[in-house]
Amino acid sequence: SQTIHQWPATLVQPVGSPLSLECTVEGTSNPNLYWYRQAAGRGLQLLFYSVGIGQISSEVPQNLSASRPQDRQFILSSKKLLLSDSGFYLCAWRPQAVNYGYTFGSGTRLTVV
Amino acid sequence: TQLLEQSPQFLSIQEGENLTVYCNSSSVFSSLQWYRQEPGEGPVLLVTVVTGGEVKKLKRLTFQFGDARKDSSLHITAAQPGDTGLYLCAGVNRENTGNQFYFGTGTSLTVIP
Repeated sequence: SQTIHQWPATLVQPVGSPLSLECTVEGTSNPNLYWYRQAAGRGLQLLFYSVGIGQISSEVPQNLSASRPQDRQFILSSKKLLLSDSGFYLCAWRPQAVNYGYTFGSGTRLTVV
Repeated sequence: TQLLEQSPQFLSIQEGENLTVYCNSSSVFSSLQWYRQEPGEGPVLLVTVVTGGEVKKLKRLTFQFGDARKDSSLHITAAQPGDTGLYLCAGVNRENTGNQFYFGTGTSLTVIP
């Protein structure tokens, strides 16, 4: 069966520090991978998606970047965090076929102080 | 970005009551999904609807896709405390390169015992 791992679960970082969140998927190959951010109790904002190794598409201009060094690994990074980067970050994967649903990771609560 | 508006934003009801949550857009979607999310966790897929006018039932939950594939509704019969959570709709258009779904603004449901 397919599983998705996302870590860390919580993170408190000072303004100006770097960020690296990692997400890995098991049990499938060539998945579409996504990073979303969620404000408290609200919908999800798509940040990045990837349809293959080294292929990254950005939805929203921001202080963040993403990379996909391996087929089932997706990394969200920042060189210098801003206060506005605080939020709940979710990694997700889904098959290439259009109507399949997402499987989400358990999320990372990032607080920038 | 394709905007999906959900209503109501917040809903607090007594156990046993019925409720309906709406998801509306000006865009046409190839398919639409509903998710439920509990605090501190990732959303979990409930259903996918793909045909205009389609109705799907999942125990006490009834999902409908609008005839024009621009809107959807979720009806819960005899709500229970376990139904408490954030309900999110998400739509995809086949023209999206990464087949990414765009999420609605969310409806936070609280069912009071």
